[in-house]
Amino acid sequence: GAVVSQHPSRVICKSGTSVKIECRSLDFQATTMFWYRQFPKQSLMLMATSNEGSKATYEQGVEKDKFLINHASLTLSTLTVTSAHPEDSSFYICSANPQGTYSNQPQHFGDGTRLSIL
Amino acid sequence: AQSVTQLDSQVPVFEEAPVELRCNYSSSVSVYLFWYVQYPNQGLQLLLKYLSGSTLVKGINGFEAEFNKSQTSFHLRKPSVHISDTAEYFCAVMPGGYNKLIFGAGTRLAVHP
Repeated sequence: GAVVSQHPSRVICKSGTSVKIECRSLDFQATTMFWYRQFPKQSLMLMATSNEGSKATYEQGVEKDKFLINHASLTLSTLTVTSAHPEDSSFYICSANPQGTYSNQPQHFGDGTRLSIL
Repeated sequence: AQSVTQLDSQVPVFEEAPVELRCNYSSSVSVYLFWYVQYPNQGLQLLLKYLSGSTLVKGINGFEAEFNKSQTSFHLRKPSVHISDTAEYFCAVMPGGYNKLIFGAGTRLAVHP
């Protein structure tokens, strides 16, 4: 089946550091990928929709300059948390749909990245 | 606007007992409905989906769900749970025409021996 890989799975870094998270579709191409944030024991909140070759679409309340998204190819989207602070600590999850699938098809999720800012 | 309500934040149950996880949604447009499972420190795995057709949907791991349009519900059921079913379960809706998932708050299913 369709596989989405995230890297790294866990990262711990100091406050002020910028952190890059990669999301790859391993066996399909994806023109659209999605980035979610999940706080402990809470649901997933959509942060942004990553579009290959164009700007990402951010949800209301998400800082574009804080969470930089780049979707440079049909198999890779990156999320960079710039100048991370402790309040940015969270579980970040990406998802994707194979290119050409109907919009109602379920998204395939990565295993998530646990970000801890000290 | 669309929203999803999972009525139970936690559901404890004994092994081999039946279970129902409740999900209600509100939407002014037609929606597609999904149930996902999340194991600790992992992403989400699709259990089942309702797009159209039969309102009773069967998924993986013995789970099923029934779409009830009049009650705007999509409850998840399993007749006999196992210890390995212990996980977080999320109900989600996708408004028709939009490739966005809106998640409920999740229900923690804890299966005890």
